Amino acid sequence: DQQVKQNSPSLSVQEGRISILNCDYTNSMFDYFLWYKKYPAEGPTFLISISSIKDKNEDGRFTVFLNKSAKHLSLHIVPSQPGDSAVYFCAASARGAQKLVFGQGTRLTINP
Amino acid sequence: KAGVTQTPRYLIKTRGQQVTLSCSPISGHRSVSWYQQTPGQGLQFLFEYFSETQRNKGNFPGRFSGRQFSNSRSEMNVSTLELGDSALYLCASSSGQGDWDTQYFGPGTRLTVL
Repeated sequence: DQQVKQNSPSLSVQEGRISILNCDYTNSMFDYFLWYKKYPAEGPTFLISISSIKDKNEDGRFTVFLNKSAKHLSLHIVPSQPGDSAVYFCAASARGAQKLVFGQGTRLTINP
Repeated sequence: KAGVTQTPRYLIKTRGQQVTLSCSPISGHRSVSWYQQTPGQGLQFLFEYFSETQRNKGNFPGRFSGRQFSNSRSEMNVSTLELGDSALYLCASSSGQGDWDTQYFGPGTRLTVL
């Protein structure tokens, strides 16, 4: 039972355009959501997070949107840069719990 | 601040052996979590330690164990290694307190079981 799903295994975007990565979850107990960026054979790098009391959080080029009724979140990267090419993981946790549940990841490729 | 460090970065073992991996958290962080990444199963939670106590546990067999020391450093042990234990093992640290606590990951230890 996959509680966090990233349905797009890959996404290709032109440099300078917007990248939108999507994530769905099924567990209503989740109330903290994070996005990580990962290169092969390295640990995930934290990008941005959002708690259930918000529906939007921005940090520079990165914005995360949370739609609690649809159990859906998305990461927007604007503008996309070649260095953004990596695998992006969505993760969720319940309040106060340190256990992160990850999606399967989306490989983002930014084309020049 | 220094990030999460893990040693060793690479390990090659044979079936039946045991292995110990080490993790040093970010200074001031008291929670250390361990994850396993494989191509088939993705990133999966192993367990979490806070103040030397295991606070959360994932669905892994008892061959996987861990501990945490008074300085918050943590070790993970896998006994009787199987081929399927080949994976990237990731350690993450956080404050361990508060409702919404961000985990920061180390570079991982790549374990190959032959």
